[in-house]
Amino acid sequence: AQSVTQPDIHITVSEGASLELRCNYSYGATPYLFWYVQSPGQGLQLLLKYFSGDTLVQGIKGFEAEFKRSQSSFNLRKPSVHWSDAAEYFCAVGGQAGTALIFGKGTTLSVSS
Amino acid sequence: DAGVIQSPRHEVTEMGQEVTLRCKPISGHDYLFWYRQTMMRGLELLIYFNNNVPIDDSGMPEDRFSAKMPNASFSTLKIQPSEPRDSAVYFCASSPSGRVTEAFFGQGTRLTVV
Repeated sequence: AQSVTQPDIHITVSEGASLELRCNYSYGATPYLFWYVQSPGQGLQLLLKYFSGDTLVQGIKGFEAEFKRSQSSFNLRKPSVHWSDAAEYFCAVGGQAGTALIFGKGTTLSVSS
Repeated sequence: DAGVIQSPRHEVTEMGQEVTLRCKPISGHDYLFWYRQTMMRGLELLIYFNNNVPIDDSGMPEDRFSAKMPNASFSTLKIQPSEPRDSAVYFCASSPSGRVTEAFFGQGTRLTVV
C-alpha cells in the first residue's frame, strides 16, 4: 500500500536550534518526494522536492532534505530555526505525471524563545 | 499568475443545505485535484481531473459529493445534502503535465455545517 508516515505529531524547538522532521514512505514505483508547509489559515506551500540525482536537496527558507532509499525516508532539516518557521509540515509522495500526491498526517512545529 | 483561486474562503451552512465550492486552477495546468483536510484524517484526495475528465473519484466519500470540471479554468465540488461531518477545509490544487506530479494549492475553503 502507498503511504506516508510522519511519526512526530508535534515538535517544539528553541529558536536558533536545529530541526529535523521525519518522514517515511511506502510506494510501489519510483517515488518522487515533497515537503510542504502550511501556516495557519493558509494553503500548502512547496518547500522542496526530490525527483532524482543528488539525494540532498535544497529548498526555500533554508530547508534541506535527504532522500535515503535504503531507509525509505525523506527527512527535513534546518540548521537554525526562526520563530517564523512555526507551522505545520507535510511530507508527500507521488509518481509519474497523472498520479495524485499522497500526504502524511503532518507535523506541527512550535518554536520557543 | 495569481495561483489557484478558491471561493468562498469560508462557508457556514445548515445541515441539509446544498454547498458548492469553486476552484480556478493555474492557467495551462492539465490536472486538478480536490483534497479534504480534517484533524482526524489529515489530507485526503477526493477526486482529480486530467484535461477536464475525472480520472479517479475513489476518494469521494458518498453520493452526496459530486465534482465537475466544465472547462479548463473552472471546477466545482458540490455537497448535497450537507452534514455536520462534512465540516473540513477543502483544498483545490492544480498541476502541469510533465514527468512528475507537483501540486500547487489554493488557500482552501473552510466549510462548517451546523
